[in-house]
Amino acid sequence: AQSVAQPEDQVNVAEGNPLTVKCTYSVSGNPYLFWYVQYPNRGLQFLLKYITGDNLVKGSYGFEAEFNKSQTSFHLKKPSALVSDSALYFCAVRDMNTGFQKLVFGTGTRLLVSP
Amino acid sequence: DVKVTQSSRYLVKRTGEKVFLECVQDMDHENMFWYRQDPGLGLRLIYFSYDVKMKEKGDIPEGYSVSREKKERFSLILESASTNQTSMYLCASISIGFSGANVLTFGAGSRLTVL
Repeated sequence: AQSVAQPEDQVNVAEGNPLTVKCTYSVSGNPYLFWYVQYPNRGLQFLLKYITGDNLVKGSYGFEAEFNKSQTSFHLKKPSALVSDSALYFCAVRDMNTGFQKLVFGTGTRLLVSP
Repeated sequence: DVKVTQSSRYLVKRTGEKVFLECVQDMDHENMFWYRQDPGLGLRLIYFSYDVKMKEKGDIPEGYSVSREKKERFSLILESASTNQTSMYLCASISIGFSGANVLTFGAGSRLTVL
């Protein structure tokens, strides 16, 4: 079964410092990987995706993610964190066992950026 | 931009009540989904629909049913609400295509409290 794991419930970082939110995946075949962000009392917003090609994927709001096949990881990164980046982040993988575009989500990581 | 609208942001219901959560999307998407979000558990798929009147169970369908009479509308029904169904409910839609890279678009969520 397709799955993703987010090993950290919360990540704390000071504003201006680099941030990393970790995600590892388990899939059969080539993975289609996604990152979403959820701000308080809002739905999920798409940040970026990896389908194929360059291992470094750039997305919205200055975020990027690095696909590492040997480590089965897809960590979310940003060079300089902002207080406004504080939110809940979800990693997801497309379930390739169906043709219905289903996504399987991780448990989420709360990012807290302090001033 | 695709818009997914969930009619109720906050609901408070009593145990045993029948509850309807409505979701409408305006971009002619074929696939629609209902997820449930709980702290520490991430998003779990309840039901999805790939066409009008068509539905498939997700990972946690027990206690729920769905209805899709029109392409743009996907309803989640709690036949007899219970306290363990207190949660945030998220609707999402996506267009089908050859690529698995299409992006899910989410509504703002419906926070249901069952007393």
